[in-house]
Amino acid sequence: DADVTQTPRNRITKTGKRIMLECSQTKGHDRMYWYRQDPGLGLRLIYYSFDVKDINKGEISDGYSVSRQAQAKFSLSLESAIPNQTALYFCATRGTSGSTDTQYFGPGTRLTVL
Amino acid sequence: AQSVTQLGSHVSVSEGALVLLRCNYSSSVPPYLFWYVQYPNQGLQLLLKYTSAATLVKGINGFEAEFKKSETSFHLTKPSAHMSDAAEYFCAVENTGFQKLVFGTGTRLLVSP
Repeated sequence: DADVTQTPRNRITKTGKRIMLECSQTKGHDRMYWYRQDPGLGLRLIYYSFDVKDINKGEISDGYSVSRQAQAKFSLSLESAIPNQTALYFCATRGTSGSTDTQYFGPGTRLTVL
Repeated sequence: AQSVTQLGSHVSVSEGALVLLRCNYSSSVPPYLFWYVQYPNQGLQLLLKYTSAATLVKGINGFEAEFKKSETSFHLTKPSAHMSDAAEYFCAVENTGFQKLVFGTGTRLLVSP
């Protein structure tokens, strides 16, 4: 089984709808991240969390919210989806062993907002 | 603030040719640098990382990268391209405290027969 899983893998929704993307991990990592990928822009950080009670905004958090339900689960919500939120969304995790650790990415969720 | 710049959104090579993907970084402190690969319809996979132990870093699938402080570069190379290397490659820098990665805009590698 994959260490970092994302559900759903694909989602088509309409403008104004609320949508939640979910991420689960079995790596036992404290740190979790949400990114969005757009063609030509690379990956940009939306939110990140260092533990259940520590949640931080990334560079593009407007229009998004997150919930860290447990160490292993980190959800991203779009309260009222708009077309320019159409993108590929990635969840990632990282351990806390300094330079010996790296970020591990889930398979991504492709979101289309019509 | 730390940042990386990837030169060339697309790079085309022939099978068997040298692969060179360019990455320059901006950092006020010694950086930790990474190369990730994204195959079609997949997530990101770590190719290699530089954490100051050695300037020449060897990664998976025959890739390597050399950290050059004087040039603020961390270019990715592979001596002989394979068709299976066709993918998008991302350079990234991690900030101090190992908190966040900042990614470049990516380079798509195209390999022709």
